Parts: sequence; structure tokens; C-alpha cells
Amino acid sequence: ETGVTQTPRHLVMGMTNKKSLKCEQHLGHNAMYWYKQSAKKPLELMFVYNFKEQTENNSVPSRFSPECPNSSHLFLHLHTLQPEDSALYLCASSQKGGKVTDTQYFGPGTRLTVL
Amino acid sequence: AQSVTQPDIHITVSEGASLELRCNYSYGATPYLFWYVQSPGQGLQLLLKYFSGDTLVQGIKGFEAEFKRSQSSFNLRKPSVHWSDAAEYFCAVGAESGYALNFGKGTSLLVTP
Repeated sequence: ETGVTQTPRHLVMGMTNKKSLKCEQHLGHNAMYWYKQSAKKPLELMFVYNFKEQTENNSVPSRFSPECPNSSHLFLHLHTLQPEDSALYLCASSQKGGKVTDTQYFGPGTRLTVL
Repeated sequence: AQSVTQPDIHITVSEGASLELRCNYSYGATPYLFWYVQSPGQGLQLLLKYFSGDTLVQGIKGFEAEFKRSQSSFNLRKPSVHWSDAAEYFCAVGAESGYALNFGKGTSLLVTP
């Protein structure tokens, strides 16, 4: 595997379910990101992890819970989601300290549908 | 705070024709500017970026962009479009001190034969 991978690629869940999205980067990077891409809206940064420490939480509701056990893996735990949370969730990684000057490499995303 | 406007939601061009995608930003200081492309079913890929220096920036896949401070613009251009260029294009702006990139809503490019 190369680059940034995300699993699953598609997920359908009910509002009472608990699920997790997984992201793995094979680039040796130190920073990882979660973005939400909704239809007709700009890409929204959700969380930033830098050397496994969360450095940014962009006012994300608590029903989204990130976890970064090491620099290569990033999870997004989901529980009691709402239909408006349906979107494409993109993971990205970058080399250094998570600054905007670092090129971010994106995974293909997980298409989430909340029923 | 920084923001980005991409005025064109959809653009259609003929294969072989030239392309210009517009991007306007709002930011008080010198912005860090980016263009990303997203093909169907794929993540975003960086085409080019501008931090400082020469205002005409060359990127991958034959794309270039020009930073015009007086117009607060960072338009993306390509002299001759290929069918494989059909995708969604996103302009983004960031601040030197921050982590976040602020993205535009994107422009969807359709290439016709």
C-alpha cells in the first residue's frame, strides 16, 4: 500500500449506530487531518493531529471522536449521528508539524450515509 | 479570517481549448494559496502552490496559476485541456501561522470532445 488509504470506502449507518472510520498513511508523515466534504459546501477541516497530539478541533460536535494511536493511523469514531452528517470524510497527512506550508496528501475518502 | 470564492460552479470546455478557473481570496496578509484537483472517487491532489516570489507558478499536469495581489486572485490556467482533466478543482488559502486551509466550494470541469 502506498500513500493514504481509508476504510471503509462506503458506509451506511443508522442514527443509533456506532462505527469507526480508519485512515492509514504510508508516507512517514507526522501530521494527520480529518476533513468533511459536503455537497455544495467548502471542504471543512475537522481535526488535526501533530505527532499524535490533537492540535486543532474545529468546533466539531462530540458525536465525532477522533483517535490517533500513532503517526501512521487516524480513526474517526462515530455515534448517534444525524442525517446532515452524511458526507465524504477525507483523511490527509503531511510531513512536518501540520502547518499550511506542508503539502497535504489526501486519501480517497469514506462516503458516509446516515439514515 | 481567510476565505476563498470560486465564482464558477461548472465550466465546460472543448478538448484542446484553453482553460482558466477563477479564484478570489480574502485575507489581510500575504496568503498561502493552493490549487487541488479531485477526480471522481479520489482524494484531493495538489496541483500547485504559491507562498512567495515569482507570481506565476508552474504545477503538475501542465497547469499554472498567477497570483495577482491587486485583484486578490489566484486563477488557474492550462493552455490545452485534455479529456483526463475533467474533475473538480479546489482553490484554498492558508495563513502562515495556522494549520487550516480554507477551501472554496470548487469548480466542476467538463471536457467535451
